[in-house]
Amino acid sequence: AQSVTQPDIHITVSEGASLELRCNYSYGATPYLFWYVQSPGQGLQLLLKYFSGDTLVQGIKGFEAEFKRSQSSFNLRKPSVHWSDAAEYFCAVAPRLSFGAGTTVTVRA
Amino acid sequence: GAVVSQHPSWVICKSGTSVKIECRSLDFQATTMFWYRQFPKQSLMLMATSNEGSKATYEQGVEKDKFLINHASLTLSTLTVTSAHPEDSSFYICSARSVGVGETQYFGPGTRLLVL
Repeated sequence: AQSVTQPDIHITVSEGASLELRCNYSYGATPYLFWYVQSPGQGLQLLLKYFSGDTLVQGIKGFEAEFKRSQSSFNLRKPSVHWSDAAEYFCAVAPRLSFGAGTTVTVRA
Repeated sequence: GAVVSQHPSWVICKSGTSVKIECRSLDFQATTMFWYRQFPKQSLMLMATSNEGSKATYEQGVEKDKFLINHASLTLSTLTVTSAHPEDSSFYICSARSVGVGETQYFGPGTRLLVL
């Protein structure tokens, strides 16, 4: 069975500081991994995805994620956050898309 | 590219009435569409998977007679909440997956349903 764990429920970060969101997955084969962002009252926007190849994946809005098979992780990073990055972030694993519980990011001025 | 729309974006209805929510893939053909439900401050819960031209596959615990799903074309899926009750109030989100783009799902903006 596949599953996703996001250990951090809520993260607060200062504007301009770096951000890292953790994601651990459980899946028997090579997973398809995704990060989505959801603003309040909105649907989900795809930030980036990993299918195969280079383990460091670049996404939109300056985000990147690194796939580490040995750690079963797919952590999301951004070097310098903007106030507009405040949102809910979901990690997901396919083929049967399973979502983590989400991490709420608050950005303080 | 890969835009998914939902209509309506929000709806208020009386208890006992039925509500239909549409999900459209605007610029690609979606062989598979998914319907999710999201409660406040929680993750998405998959309700059902629908493939164009065939019956939807419902997740365990989801009443198929209450949540009717139709995927009549490669660009349209509908979710009808029949005889809605206040406990059906939620945020419903659809997603669509296209042929040839791996397992990527593209999500609609969601529909907020409030049943009075």
